Amino acid sequence: EIVLTQSPGTLSLSPGERATLSCRASQSVSSSNLAWYQQKPGQAPRLLIYGASSRATGIPDRFRGSGSGTDFTLTISRLEPEDFAVYYCQQYGSSMWTFGQGTKVEIK
Amino acid sequence: EVQLVESGGGLVQPGGSLRLSCAASGFTLSAYDMNWVRQAPGKGLEWISYTLSISSFINHADSVKGRFTVSRDTAKNSLCLQMNSLRAEDTAVYYCARVRPSGYMDVWGKGTTVTVSS
Repeated sequence: EIVLTQSPGTLSLSPGERATLSCRASQSVSSSNLAWYQQKPGQAPRLLIYGASSRATGIPDRFRGSGSGTDFTLTISRLEPEDFAVYYCQQYGSSMWTFGQGTKVEIK
Repeated sequence: EVQLVESGGGLVQPGGSLRLSCAASGFTLSAYDMNWVRQAPGKGLEWISYTLSISSFINHADSVKGRFTVSRDTAKNSLCLQMNSLRAEDTAVYYCARVRPSGYMDVWGKGTTVTVSS
């Protein structure tokens, strides 16, 4: 099973700042099979990025995914108030899925 | 509008059973692979079950293998998760999600809460 480790656990930033979230895999992951989700309290996860770098429908361009192999990054260029949430990376392979433990982006 | 709505959650005793449903609207559920994902209170996301659209292939996480199973009801455009031998650690919000070919989940329901407690 591929384990995804996200860092940091919590990111304390102010609106307008840049957020950089990391997702590291225990073994190489196909970029096609790496996604990022945003989850706010009491809500279902929302797809942000798929294929490591493609934005889902309706996702603003301040969200950018990058990376390959075992190291992937989600960057939010300028945090808006609605961006404070928990972010999860996810990989897929062999009819199994794993998620990272999440990074909470909180208001400083 | 493309939408998934889960139902069937509730309070059940350890060792009991529960059947969750996931109703789709705005698309034909049988044409898509589908996942069930759960989230224990205050915890992260955990994938638990997968069903392939074009066959009866199903896969489960080890944590639920042998206890949970998935089925489809084409007439009702819905998906079911039958949960048996429930344990306290199965307490969670259960989401169904539509799966795209590269494995990402683009449509999620709002979830239904399952509490396993005596």
